[in-house]
Amino acid sequence: KQEVTQIPAALSVPEGENLVLNCSFTDSAIYNLQWFRQDPGKGLTSLLLIQSSQREQTSGRLNASLDKSSGRSTLYIAASQPGDSATYLCAVRPRRGSTLGRLYFGRGTQLTVWP
Amino acid sequence: DTEVTQTPKHLVMGMTNKKSLKCEQHMGHRAMYWYKQKAKKPPELMFVYSYEKLSINESVPSRFSPECPNSSLLNLHLHALQPEDSALYLCASSQVWGGSADTQYFGPGTRLTVL
Repeated sequence: KQEVTQIPAALSVPEGENLVLNCSFTDSAIYNLQWFRQDPGKGLTSLLLIQSSQREQTSGRLNASLDKSSGRSTLYIAASQPGDSATYLCAVRPRRGSTLGRLYFGRGTQLTVWP
Repeated sequence: DTEVTQTPKHLVMGMTNKKSLKCEQHMGHRAMYWYKQKAKKPPELMFVYSYEKLSINESVPSRFSPECPNSSLLNLHLHALQPEDSALYLCASSQVWGGSADTQYFGPGTRLTVL
């Protein structure tokens, strides 16, 4: 069974810092990996999706990389802002198994950026 | 339009009540999902509908009854719930179930409190 781990569980930084959030997964047979943002009590917003054949994806100040063979992904946030404060979730889609389409989520990294 | 809408935003119900959660999307997606999320935990998959047919039931208790009346609409009927069922209920949709490049789009969720 696929297991997804996110480190750190929580992160508190001053505004302007560059950040790295980590995600690891146990089975490298995946279709894709997705990073989500979730504000308290709200739904999930998709930030970046990386296909298994890709190495990275970029959107604005966000950059996500994928090393499928080692089972790792990182989300890089440049020049962090207080508005980036949220929980960031990583999820993978397995390529094999009885539930191919389901997402396996990590427990998230709770980010606080203070002014 | 990449929006998934959910109503109501908040719901408080007693253990003997019957209520329903509603989810709607107009992106032409043929897969729709219900997730349950407890505080500080990742979302847990409950049900998947593909082309209006129930494809996945993750051993959810029968007090939760999903329904997909058409390709745009997904309901979750609730009856005789327990206080431990209090959670954020998230709906999501994607183009198809199991597609390799599939992205799931999430709604804002319904915050359910069972008294």
